[in-house]
Amino acid sequence: QVQLQQSGAELARPGASVKLSCKASGYTFTSYWMQWVKQRPGQGLEWIGAIYPGDGDTRYTQKFKGKATLTADKSSSTAYMQLSSLASEDSAVYYCARDTKFAYWGQGTLVTVSA
Amino acid sequence: DAVMTQTPLSLPVSLGDQASISCRSSQSLENSNGNTYLNWYLQKPGQSPQLLIYRVSNRFSGVLDRFSGSGSGTDFTLKISRVEAEDLGVYFCLQVTHVPYTFGGGTKLEIK
Repeated sequence: QVQLQQSGAELARPGASVKLSCKASGYTFTSYWMQWVKQRPGQGLEWIGAIYPGDGDTRYTQKFKGKATLTADKSSSTAYMQLSSLASEDSAVYYCARDTKFAYWGQGTLVTVSA
Repeated sequence: DAVMTQTPLSLPVSLGDQASISCRSSQSLENSNGNTYLNWYLQKPGQSPQLLIYRVSNRFSGVLDRFSGSGSGTDFTLKISRVEAEDLGVYFCLQVTHVPYTFGGGTKLEIK
């Protein structure tokens, strides 16, 4: 069955970077877009961008250009999102989700930015 | 960007009732290929969102037929018949016709 296993919670200092991972299993990793979504506590969902692991093509929403960098490792079926220059407003749960249906979701990674 | 407006913000219902949630887009979600890419999700407390409906009216695998979606263009509706306790949580719509993809603000379904 399709599974997306995300990396554990992160605590980071303001100005630092973190790299989150999303390991896929149960399907052909290179054949589906991988989406990334942000959810701040008690708030709604925000699309960050997506990567197509088959050829590395990426799309980002304007707000996250320069903030998020999406990559994928075909050999390990793992998608990554690096968040840079962290600030308090980057504290959130980050999800990966498969394809344009967002049919399958990871369990989420909590990122806390605090001095 | 396509702005997605969901109403109501909160929807108190009695178990067994029907619930209806609206999602309105600031621009048409019909693609040049004739398809409309509007999906619905439920996020239960402490869980990741789960797909209920894709492309307006198609139930995802395993989703009960108590959930139905309808609409076209800019106006869409999710109906839940005979609400059960397991249906409680926050419902989101999402458009994936236009990049950037955009979510509705969410509707919290709760017990009256």
